[in-house]
Amino acid sequence: GQNIDQPTEMTATEGAIVQINCTYQTSGFNGLFWYQQHAGEAPTFLSYNVLDGLEEKGRFSSFLSRSKGYSYLLLKELQMKDSASYLCAVMGGGSYIPTFGRGTSLIVHP
Amino acid sequence: DTEVTQTPKHLVMGMTNKKSLKCEQHMGHRAMYWYKQKAKKPPELMFVYSYEKLSINESVPSRFSPECPNSSLLNLHLHALQPEDSALYLCASSQTQRGGESIQYFGAGTRLSVL
Repeated sequence: GQNIDQPTEMTATEGAIVQINCTYQTSGFNGLFWYQQHAGEAPTFLSYNVLDGLEEKGRFSSFLSRSKGYSYLLLKELQMKDSASYLCAVMGGGSYIPTFGRGTSLIVHP
Repeated sequence: DTEVTQTPKHLVMGMTNKKSLKCEQHMGHRAMYWYKQKAKKPPELMFVYSYEKLSINESVPSRFSPECPNSSLLNLHLHALQPEDSALYLCASSQTQRGGESIQYFGAGTRLSVL
């Protein structure tokens, strides 16, 4: 299986930048996803990385280093509505079905 | 359009009831998934259908029975559930199960309470 680790909780200030890290151990890596999930709602897709480097999409960017088993999600110009859980999910072991990490609960305060 | 529709949104059932959860997508996706999610935990995979065939059953108890009547619909039949089965049940779909086509799009979920 995939061993996925991400911080349990982070806090940040509105307007700031926050970086949420995810480390993983797997063989047969096939890609990594980031999802956002507000309390009681479904996860929504944010990003997909399969090659090393940075993918930018508006205020959100995601980075991958396959050799280090490491990814991060960067959120810029934080807004209160960004308060949510951020799930790192890895496709590994030759599978194309993601295994989800425990999620990082981000609290944005004024 | 990346919409996956789940009904009902909320369901309360007794341990002797039989009920069904429904999921529908019209994106032409050929892979569909059922997940169970408890509070403050990540989604746990239950079943995967690929091209309308059950491809993965993650050792789920037989009181949960999936069904895929066609490529757009996915059902989860529930019978004789236990209180610990209370959770958010999420349906997801993806184009296929390969590379970037594996991106899963989730429905809003059914919040199930078993009394």
